[in-house]
Order: sequence, then structure tokens, then C-alpha cells
Amino acid sequence: GEQVEQRPPHLSVREGDSAVITCTYTDPNSYYFFWYKQEPGASLQLLMKVFSSTEINEGQGFTVLLNKKDKRLSLNLTAAHPGDSVAYFCAVEPTGNTRKLIFGLGTTLQVQP
Amino acid sequence: AQTIHQWPVAEIKAVGSPLSLGCTIKGKSSPNLYWYWQATGGTLQQLFYSITVGQVESVVQLNLSASRPKDDQFILSTEKLLLSHSGFYLCAWSRTANSDYTFGSGTRLLVI
Repeated sequence: GEQVEQRPPHLSVREGDSAVITCTYTDPNSYYFFWYKQEPGASLQLLMKVFSSTEINEGQGFTVLLNKKDKRLSLNLTAAHPGDSVAYFCAVEPTGNTRKLIFGLGTTLQVQP
Repeated sequence: AQTIHQWPVAEIKAVGSPLSLGCTIKGKSSPNLYWYWQATGGTLQQLFYSITVGQVESVVQLNLSASRPKDDQFILSTEKLLLSHSGFYLCAWSRTANSDYTFGSGTRLLVI
């Protein structure tokens, strides 16, 4: 089945720098990809849902890149600020109406003022 | 608008005691419902999903069971808790397969 690897597990950057989190997946037929953020003790908040037909997706303060050839999904927080210091999870939904979300292990981001 | 409510917010339970966690979706008929578990500091693991009333599919059991007694209700339970059951339990819903997942606020469980 689908395997999702997320790197790095912990990331520390200075305020204003960019922060890049990457996930690789194994199933070339996977079509739906998600990035979630999770504040301590809280639920998951969807940042962006990406379809495999679109390679670059821009949100507020971040960009999501999908490289289908390399089976790699990345989240780039541009100009990170201390409020971005939470956990981030990628998730992949394999094709075929599986109703299964496969999550990466997560990345804890620390943005230093 | 759809709302998702989980209860209780937190529980401290003894090893060997029973457990029942609930999840209710309002404002959407026939939602797809899901249970996820997150160990402290860990990732999320899907436990169960349900497409319709009375039907539940197991993904990873972890000595837990799930039921969907009503269209808008999803219950996670066990007769005997283990220490390894500690963690954060999240319920989620989606309209169909491959649509957006919305997560509840979660239940934090500590088994002692």
C-alpha cells in the first residue's frame, strides 16, 4: 500500500526565513494530497488540498509543490513568523475510493524571533 | 453549515475499564465518517471508516471497535482499555471518497 515519508521531523528557522517540509510517497497513482497544521493539543486544520493535475499551488504565506515524477510533495512557508510554530502533516489519499488518508509522521516547526 | 462534535473532550481511565467515545455530525446527511488515533507526539493512524448506517470498515483495530448506530453518529469503544490506547482520538467526516476531510476537536485519552 501507499507509504508516506515526511522530512524533517523537526525544523528550526529564523523569522522571515523560508521553511520547507517535504513528503515522498510511493503510489504513482495517488491523486489527492493534503497539508494540515496542528497546534498543540488541538485538531487538524486544512492548509491546502492538492490534486495531482496541478503542480504549483499558492496559499496565504505558503506554496505547495507537487513533483509527480519524483513522487514528492513539499510545503514552503515563505517568510515564516513565530505564529507558524506548530506541527505540520502531509497526507495522501490513494486513488480508487479507498477512503483512507495516509499521513506522514509530521514536522514540528520552530520559528525563532 | 455542517458541524462536527466529539465527546468527551478528555478522559482519564484505568487499564481494563471500558471506553466509549462519540462523534456527531450535524447538517449533512449520509456523511462518510472516520476515526483516527494519534499517539502523543506521533502521527495520525486511521482506525475505522463508515459509509452508511450500520456499516463500519476496520483499517487498524488496536483492540477497539466502532459502530454507526445513526446516520449522524459514530462511536468508538472497547470493553477493556490498554495503556497503549492513550492518545488523541479524532473523528472526521467527508461528503464522499476523495473529498475534503473535516476533523473534530478530538478527545484526549489517558489510560493509567
